[in-house]
Amino acid sequence: DGGITQSPKYLFRKEGQNVTLSCEQNLNHDAMYWYRQDPGQGLRLIYYSQIVNDFQKGDIAEGYSVSREKKESFPLTVTSAQKNPTAFYLCASSNRQGGFQETQYFGPGTRLLVL
Amino acid sequence: AQSVAQPEDQVNVAEGNPLTVKCTYSVSGNPYLFWYVQYPNRGLQFLLKYITGDNLVKGSYGFEAEFNKSQTSFHLKKPSALVSDSALYFCAVRAPPYKYIFGTGTRLKVLA
Repeated sequence: DGGITQSPKYLFRKEGQNVTLSCEQNLNHDAMYWYRQDPGQGLRLIYYSQIVNDFQKGDIAEGYSVSREKKESFPLTVTSAQKNPTAFYLCASSNRQGGFQETQYFGPGTRLLVL
Repeated sequence: AQSVAQPEDQVNVAEGNPLTVKCTYSVSGNPYLFWYVQYPNRGLQFLLKYITGDNLVKGSYGFEAEFNKSQTSFHLKKPSALVSDSALYFCAVRAPPYKYIFGTGTRLKVLA
């Protein structure tokens, strides 16, 4: 069953704590993405990676960090520097074939709440 | 700069009536355009896309979208709305290389 998995579904962060959101895909996609969703603001890009061991900042990267050591995995760490982390976090992946084959697919999301 | 606009925060339609959710875009070059649907506390589900070819694109669950280059629009349509179509809909455009820009979303409410 191919797809994108995110864990956990809900995550609670204490003040000053770093937390890591997991994203795994078995679609053999090269590119992976992290988005943050807040009510009324749509999706905002945090980081994206086009290939293993390479990633680029998106529009709201401050307070977040990522790694891409394996093609299948793109974990996101929400650091203590992110002062307003409460949001719904979505991971996505896409192929790099271009043309008609290119589509971005999403995981089920992780809701991060601050205690 | 590439951008996507969804001018309506919410669209209400009666069950059985046709629905339209609007999207306009600004992109350099040939656009790759997408529609996604999101149900509460779920990820986005891919509905359909326009890459090239026929301006009328058919997708999942009876949805279709019409690409209009002169009006830079990519409106989502369905001939007969169902209550189960009630959800949040996002339009997106690909901004090379491999970034995607999303609209702010339109909440569709289908009334029984």
